[in-house]
Amino acid sequence: DQQVKQNSPSLSVQEGRISILNCDYTNSMFDYFLWYKKYPAEGPTFLISISSIKDKNEDGRFTVFLNKSAKHLSLHIVPSQPGDSAVYFCAANRGGSNYKLTFGKGTLLTVNP
Amino acid sequence: GAGVSQSPSNKVTEKGKDVELRCDPISGHTALYWYRQRLGQGLEFLIYFQGNSAPDKSGLPSDRFSAERTGESVSTLTIQRTQQEDSAVYLCASSLTRDTEAFFGQGTRLTVV
Repeated sequence: DQQVKQNSPSLSVQEGRISILNCDYTNSMFDYFLWYKKYPAEGPTFLISISSIKDKNEDGRFTVFLNKSAKHLSLHIVPSQPGDSAVYFCAANRGGSNYKLTFGKGTLLTVNP
Repeated sequence: GAGVSQSPSNKVTEKGKDVELRCDPISGHTALYWYRQRLGQGLEFLIYFQGNSAPDKSGLPSDRFSAERTGESVSTLTIQRTQQEDSAVYLCASSLTRDTEAFFGQGTRLTVV
């Protein structure tokens, strides 16, 4: 049973527009959420995180929104750039740490010039 | 080196053979994790090391899987009597502590034929 779900395997957007990547979770004990970005033949790299005590966290062009009642989070990238093209993984944990993360299957984002 | 290093990058093995995968974490990182990603799936947690001990082995899928870490540094993941379902990318990550950002290696792609 998948506890973290990314229902869109892929997303394509134009350069300069907004990219919105979605993630749903089922485990109500999760209280810490992360987004990772992965280029081909490389390991995932940490992008941004959010604790369940917040509903928004922003870092430059990247913003993560958390809706606890809906058990839903989203990553917004504005403006999107071709270098953002990668697989984005949503991950979750309880206890606010990076230990034993539960990952979604990932969404392949393609930003077209 | 500056990052987490894994070897080999690729490994093809015959069903029934044993394989050893190596991880060199970032120097000074006390926490080390192994994950695997099967085709079309998210990353699955396998095992967590704190120093040289493994307080959480709950993700190891069977007793054919084992891991050790020595000198609070290098870790090896051993899979005995490999099966085709063991085919995956095996990722190692390390962090200063279990509560700080985890840095991933590029992974070892294991193919069991």
